[in-house]
Formats: sequence, structure tokens, C-alpha cells
Amino acid sequence: GEDVEQSLFLSVREGDSSVINCTYTDSSSTYLYWYKQEPGAGLQLLTYIFSNMDMKQDQRLTVLLNKKDKHLSLRIADTQTGDSAIYFCAESMGARGSTLGRLYFGRGTQLTVWP
Amino acid sequence: DGGITQSPKYLFRKEGQNVTLSCEQNLNHDAMYWYRQDPGQGLRLIYYSQIVNDFQKGDIAEGYSVSREKKESFPLTVTSAQKNPTAFYLCASSPLPGGNQPQHFGDGTRLSIL
Repeated sequence: GEDVEQSLFLSVREGDSSVINCTYTDSSSTYLYWYKQEPGAGLQLLTYIFSNMDMKQDQRLTVLLNKKDKHLSLRIADTQTGDSAIYFCAESMGARGSTLGRLYFGRGTQLTVWP
Repeated sequence: DGGITQSPKYLFRKEGQNVTLSCEQNLNHDAMYWYRQDPGQGLRLIYYSQIVNDFQKGDIAEGYSVSREKKESFPLTVTSAQKNPTAFYLCASSPLPGGNQPQHFGDGTRLSIL
């Protein structure tokens, strides 16, 4: 459960949809999270999905989870220039011994939104 | 407002010097974490603590030390043994692990070598 992969860069035009993809390796992951990081700042929790769900929608954000392929995606509808940031996916191992509470992060996807 | 406060925002270290990064939270969270972030890299776990007076090494603990004497505080010391300390350091906290317990982050401290 320690290999979380993301593509490093994504560029989209303002108003288009953005789709950021993530793959993880541990099928026992319980919760999967999406965080946003703006320049020089910490990580802000955007949304999460429990592993027994397929989809979660929260305003402009849609999270899709394909457990069979261990694939997670974040879709941002009507992307704005203010959405330009680094987006991290993270998996939680749940209650597994000494790794209680640990999150494993991908390297982050730099989203650039062009006007 | 509840949150996590990291200080200072910028820190400079001289050769052979130990420096301490502060992390304070008023969220009443049990667990606290320190991460290191390098450009183009994800977050690498340095140390974490699930309860006062207890902490565990993460993936890159060498050259770092921590203490957890109070629930709300988890300072990180970057020792002179850490030969490449230049990075962005992030502190996080979460409620007692189990179930949906996302981590909440501070705004980070950027450490540079003089």
C-alpha cells in the first residue's frame, strides 16, 4: 500500500473539465483522499471516498473509484484559474497495526489552468 | 479558529547547527505527523505520534528528532546529522486513527541552508 502513482502535470483551458488520475496498490485501503496544495502553503483536504463507494460528488468535484483496477480519479467541472495547484491523492491503511492513521501520498499532479 | 500553526514560516540553518521547527494544534487531535516535501516529490513521513510521550519513526527519520510532551505540540529538530535539510516541512494532525480520519495540515516551514 505504499505505491501511489499520479501523472505529474495536467494543463487545461478555463471552463473545461479536468481529470486527475491516481493508482494505488493496496486493496485493503479504506479511505482515499484528495488534497490541494497552493504555492507555499500546506495541504487542504478537498474530498474523500470510502472504499466501498464507486462515486462521490461534491459541487464541482466528482471522485470515481474503480476498486478492481485500483484506480481513483478526481474530476473538476468548469475549471477556473483559481484551481491551478498541486493535487495529491492519498490512501489510508485504516487500522493496521503500527501504521494506524498513516496516509500514503502520491507525488502530486500540477494542474495549470489557462485563461 | 481551530487549526495547526507552524512557525517560523522561513528558517535558515548554518553548518553544524540544530534547528527546531514548531507545530501547535488546538484541534484536540491525538495523532500528529511531520512530513518533508522536496520539489516534484510527494510527502515523505519523518516521524509520527499517536499519543503523548510516544512517537514512531517514519520513512526518513535519520537526522531528525521529535518530542511529544503535550498533546497540542509536536516540535521537530533538524540536527546537524541531516546533511541535506533544505526542504519544505509540513506538520499534520488527525483524531485518534480509525475510520475516516483525514489529516489536517499546517502552512509549512521552509528551511534553507546558509
